[in-house]
Amino acid sequence: DAGVTQSPTHLIKTRGQQVTLRCSPKSGHDTVSWYQQALGQGPQFIFQYYEEEERQRGNFPDRFSGHQFPNYSSELNVNALLLGDSALYLCASSLLTSGTQETQYFGPGTRLLVL
Amino acid sequence: AQTVTQSQPEMSVQEAETVTLSCTYDTSESDYYLFWYKQPPSRQMILVIRQEAYKQQNATENRFSVNFQKAAKSFSLKISDSQLGDAAMYFCVFNFGNEKLTFGTGTRLTIIP
Repeated sequence: DAGVTQSPTHLIKTRGQQVTLRCSPKSGHDTVSWYQQALGQGPQFIFQYYEEEERQRGNFPDRFSGHQFPNYSSELNVNALLLGDSALYLCASSLLTSGTQETQYFGPGTRLLVL
Repeated sequence: AQTVTQSQPEMSVQEAETVTLSCTYDTSESDYYLFWYKQPPSRQMILVIRQEAYKQQNATENRFSVNFQKAAKSFSLKISDSQLGDAAMYFCVFNFGNEKLTFGTGTRLTIIP
């Protein structure tokens, strides 16, 4: 049973560029959440996708956008990169349609460095 | 808005001993979930234990157990028989309604051989 996978594992970009990060949820999960973790801090919620729609959004600017595909995989896009966007980006998946509170399981993350 | 506070930035424990990590939270909700996740140096976020707020019984998972005090909004993690592999950053996490996870600032646990 494959867990949550993310690609790429590492990425280096320069200021002003755009980046796309990808996430495949755990088998059987239908919901994907994205988090940003700066060095030495706890993860901060970016947004959550369910049924290809943004279900909830954290306090992040519109430069951060996402998408969910029919196979439940998801992308996180960041435009006009800033130095402060350097962080570990974590994807978590869960099952929303079960009707019960479900645990979110995390992928290994993508480390983004903006120069 | 929910908040999670971990007042111990760092803790250390001798191998095979017991350690308790503290967490308090604030919420106006009555039916929610609390988790402890650990993040080793690999930075993979790993679920340690989960507690449903409607359950009075404290959750246990092998060497890991919690002390959940709903009225006090306290949720501590006890690790028994500490092992070298337990060294990690531990995050106390709040969740309501299958929505976003709210993380505390973390406690870095060091295991002394």
